[in-house]
Amino acid sequence: QKEVEQNSGPLSVPEGAIASLNCTYSDRGSQSFFWYRQYSGKSPELIMFIYSNGDKEDGRFTAQLNKASQYVSLLIRDSQPSDSATYLCAFHSGGYQKVTFGTGTKLQVIP
Amino acid sequence: GAVVSQHPSWVICKSGTSVKIECRSLDFQATTMFWYRQFPKQSLMLMATSNEGSKATYEQGVEKDKFLINHASLTLSTLTVTSAHPEDSSFYICSATRQGVYTEAFFGQGTRLTVV
Repeated sequence: QKEVEQNSGPLSVPEGAIASLNCTYSDRGSQSFFWYRQYSGKSPELIMFIYSNGDKEDGRFTAQLNKASQYVSLLIRDSQPSDSATYLCAFHSGGYQKVTFGTGTKLQVIP
Repeated sequence: GAVVSQHPSWVICKSGTSVKIECRSLDFQATTMFWYRQFPKQSLMLMATSNEGSKATYEQGVEKDKFLINHASLTLSTLTVTSAHPEDSSFYICSATRQGVYTEAFFGQGTRLTVV
C-alpha cells in the first residue's frame, strides 16, 4: 500500500465551480498535512497545511482533515483557469523531518 | 516564508560529463534537505535525504555513486550527477525543512538538466 494515495486525474471542472481533491494516507502517526500546487515545469508551492481534525479555510481554499478515516481533502471554491495545475498532498510524521508526497492530482479548470 | 535557492535553473551538458547543482537555504538553517527528480508528467520522486555533516540516505534504486550528495553546512547541499547520460535528463528539485512541529517543505526553483 502506498503511503499517500491520490487520484491522478485529470479532474475537470468548469470555471466558477467547486473543485474537490482527495487524499488518503496510511501512517496513523502522521501529524501534519500539506497541500502543494505545482504548475508545469515549476517547483511545488505550499497552499495550505492542516494538523487538526475538521476544516481550515483560507480564501477560496478549504482543507479538511479526518484522522480517524485517514483522509484529507482540498476544496477550491470559484475555480479559476489559473488554478489549473497538479495538486500534491503531503504529510509529515514523527520527529524525522521527511515530508512524504502523493503522486498528485491534475486539475483542469475549463473557462 | 523561508527561501530556498537552487542553482543553476537549467543546464545542458555533454554525455559523460558531471554536473553540480546547489541548494541553499537563504534565511534559515536546514538540518535536512531532500533531493527529488521529476520526469515529464510524473510525480516527484525522492532520490535522497541529506543531513548536515553526515552521509546522505538514498532511496531504493538510486545509485549513490552516480548521484553524489554533499551537505557541508546548515545552508548548503549539493547534488553532483556524475558521468551524466541522456536518461539522466530530468527536472531536479531540492527542498529543505525547518525544524518545528508543522514541518513545511520549502522548495528550490528546480534545475532542468538536459544531457546531449
